[in-house]
Amino acid sequence: DAGVIQSPRHEVTEMGQEVTLRCKPISGHNSLFWYRQTMMRGLELLIYFNNNVPIDDSGMPEDRFSAKMPNASFSTLKIQPSEPRDSAVYFCASSSLLGLRKVYFGPGTRLTVT
Amino acid sequence: DAKTTQPPSMDCAEGRAANLPCNHSTISGNEYVYWYRQIHSQGPQYIIHGLKNNETNEMASLIITEDRKSSTLILPHATLRDTAVYYCIVAPSGGGADGLTFGKGTHLIIQP
Repeated sequence: DAGVIQSPRHEVTEMGQEVTLRCKPISGHNSLFWYRQTMMRGLELLIYFNNNVPIDDSGMPEDRFSAKMPNASFSTLKIQPSEPRDSAVYFCASSSLLGLRKVYFGPGTRLTVT
Repeated sequence: DAKTTQPPSMDCAEGRAANLPCNHSTISGNEYVYWYRQIHSQGPQYIIHGLKNNETNEMASLIITEDRKSSTLILPHATLRDTAVYYCIVAPSGGGADGLTFGKGTHLIIQP
């Protein structure tokens, strides 16, 4: 299995630009999670989907952040407009609804907003 | 509102057993203990989980006290590649899985 795939692995953009992060979960998994990690705040859960439906987006910091999951094999996290404080590593993760909480994380996207 | 308490850092000599403690005194009857680790610049990785019995797999052993208020993750023969941040998490079992909440974890440093 290829594991959770994220793209791009690194993104450098200027303040005010739109940023789109992409994720392909493990085939057969029906829960998908977006996390953000910074030195100051650690790992934060932003939003998660079950069966492609957003269940809890209370962790999304602002309206500038949005996430979609149009099908079981693809999700996006969009930041528009981006700000320097959005600089972080963004992780996508997936798991099976039926199993225990064995969550599989992707390699992350390191976002730098200048 | 952290549900677990872990020491911020620990050292262990290479080849020795690394014992990582975790306190979870408010754990509920339906909550499991999960351990994950995060090696530098990588995503977190599942290690092991348990409910009330001790568990062992190819990566580690998990010892849960009888009252379930604390647990210890044991890496039997630590190597330099085990240097990572280790997270202890308590959460209900699956079924409408919601996200795991990560605390600050324990930064384990394996010394050569």
